[in-house]
Amino acid sequence: AQSVSQHNHHVILSEAASLELGCNYSYGGTVNLFWYVQYPGQHLQLLLKYFSGDPLVKGIKGFEAEFIKSKFSFNLRKPSVQWSDTAEYFCAVTFSGGYQKVTFGIGTKLQVIP
Amino acid sequence: NAGVTQTPKFQVLKTGQSMTLQCAQDMNHNSMYWYRQDPGMGLRLIYYSASEGTTDKGEVPNGYNVSRLNKREFSLRLESAAPSQTSVYFCASTEGGVDGYTFGSGTRLTVV
Repeated sequence: AQSVSQHNHHVILSEAASLELGCNYSYGGTVNLFWYVQYPGQHLQLLLKYFSGDPLVKGIKGFEAEFIKSKFSFNLRKPSVQWSDTAEYFCAVTFSGGYQKVTFGIGTKLQVIP
Repeated sequence: NAGVTQTPKFQVLKTGQSMTLQCAQDMNHNSMYWYRQDPGMGLRLIYYSASEGTTDKGEVPNGYNVSRLNKREFSLRLESAAPSQTSVYFCASTEGGVDGYTFGSGTRLTVV
């Protein structure tokens, strides 16, 4: 079955530390990939997306993600986190043939300590 | 720019009561979705509507019904609420899968 895995469920970092959140999917066909962020008490917002072209995608607020097809991965990175990055981050995937349905990972809670 | 509007924002129901969650989008999107969010389980798709006039079950449809009233509006109904339906419900819409979703602000539902 098609699935999305986020291996880090809760991450605690100090300000200025580097961030990498893992995301893997299980599907051999064409995918579209997304990262969403949910700040405390708010709805999900799109951080970045990949559907073709350069596998290194830059999003808002200094985030970037790299699509590695051979590893079925789409990891989210940020060189230096800020306290305001405290949020929950969701990886999401659409699988070919189901392009209108997005499958979400269970999310990673990031806590940034000042 | 309203985007996706959900009502109500909060609701407490007694077991067995019914209610309808409303969702409207003003972006002329074809596709609309209802998700529930529970701790440690991420977002799970309840129902979706790929286009006006069509609805399909998602991952967790039991206990819910939906209506795509027109292109703008997509409602979710709980006919007989159960404590297991305590959750945060999000409506979302998109024009196409590659664009990502626009989410509403959510409805926090508690069933006692």
